[in-house]
This record gives sequence, C-alpha cells and structure tokens, in this order.
Amino acid sequence: ETGVTQTPRHLVMGMTNKKSLKCEQHLGHNAMYWYKQSAKKPLELMFVYNFKEQTENNSVPSRFSPECPNSSHLFLHLHTLQPEDSALYLCASSQDGERTYNEQFFGPGTRLTVL
Amino acid sequence: GQNIDQPTEMTATEGAIVQINCTYQTSGFNGLFWYQQHAGEAPTFLSYNVLDGLEEKGRFSSFLSRSKGYSYLLLKELQMKDSASYLCAVSDSNYQLIWGAGTKLIIKP
Repeated sequence: ETGVTQTPRHLVMGMTNKKSLKCEQHLGHNAMYWYKQSAKKPLELMFVYNFKEQTENNSVPSRFSPECPNSSHLFLHLHTLQPEDSALYLCASSQDGERTYNEQFFGPGTRLTVL
Repeated sequence: GQNIDQPTEMTATEGAIVQINCTYQTSGFNGLFWYQQHAGEAPTFLSYNVLDGLEEKGRFSSFLSRSKGYSYLLLKELQMKDSASYLCAVSDSNYQLIWGAGTKLIIKP
C-alpha cells in the first residue's frame, strides 16, 4: 500500500450504531487530519494530530471520537450519529502540522450515510 | 471571520483555456494551495503560492496577489480529464488550511 488509505470506503449506519473509520498513511508523516466534506460546502477540519498529540478539535460534537495510537494510524469512532452527519470523511497527512509549507496528502475518503 | 470565495461551477471547451478565481480573507497568511478533486476521489495537490506572482507547472499555472487577497488557477489546452472540482485553500496564521467550497469545472467536447 502507498499513500493514505481509508477503510471502509462506504458505510451505512443507523443512529444507534457504533462504528469506526480507519486511516493509515505510508508516507512517514507526523501529522494526520480528519475532515468532513459535505456537498457544495468547504472542507471542515475536525481533528489534527501532530506527533500523536491532538492539537486541534474544531468544536466537533462528542459523538465523534478520534484516536491516534501511532503516527501512521488514525481512527474516528462514531456513535449515536445524526442524519446530518452523512458526508464524505477524508483523512489526510502531512510531514508535520506546524510548518508553513504543509502539503497535505489525502485518502480516498469514507462515504458515510446515517439513516 | 475567515472566508474563501470561488465560483461554484464553470464550463469550458476542450482545448481552450480557463481561469478559476479565488479570493480570501483570513487571519494571517502562510501560503495558498490549489487542489484537484475528481468525483469520488481524494483531493490531490496542484500548486502552492506564498509570494506574489505566477507559478507555472506544465499546463497549469497559479497566480497570487497578497495585497488583493486574490489567486487564480489557469488551465491551458484543456482535456476531458480536467473535469473535476478545484479547491482553493489558505494556510492561516496557525498554519491551518482554510478551504473554499470548490469550483466544479465541466469540460465539453
């Protein structure tokens, strides 16, 4: 595997379910990100981890819970979601989270539908 | 507040030239990025500008004017595969990316 991978690619869940999204980067980067992408809206930054430490939490509801066990893996745990949480969830990584030139590499995303 | 504006959709003809504009108002500026995103795929990096002027990379060029809070992406010799969304993003004073909603570019034969 190369680049940034995400699983699953598609997920349908009920509002009472608990599920997890997984992201893995094979680039040797130290920063990882979760974004939410809704139709015709800007990418919304959810969480940032830099050297495994959470450095950003953009007022995300507690029904989204991130986990970063090491610099290569990032999870997003989901529970009691709402239909408006249906979106494409993108994971990204960069060399680190603090430099000016901070090109981010994205995974293909998980298309989430909440029924 | 922080704001990135770009047109929602543009249409152009194969072989032609198209310019996608982006204006921004952010707290601080540490560079502007353009990404390309094909439907159902990940965004991929196209360009980065931090100084004023034009950066050329093959058929794609990106321009920045910091005093005007303005950038554009210029695509030449358009090909059908250029049909995609083009995302403008600004790195703010905290080096976080502020994203525009993207411009959907439709290429017609």
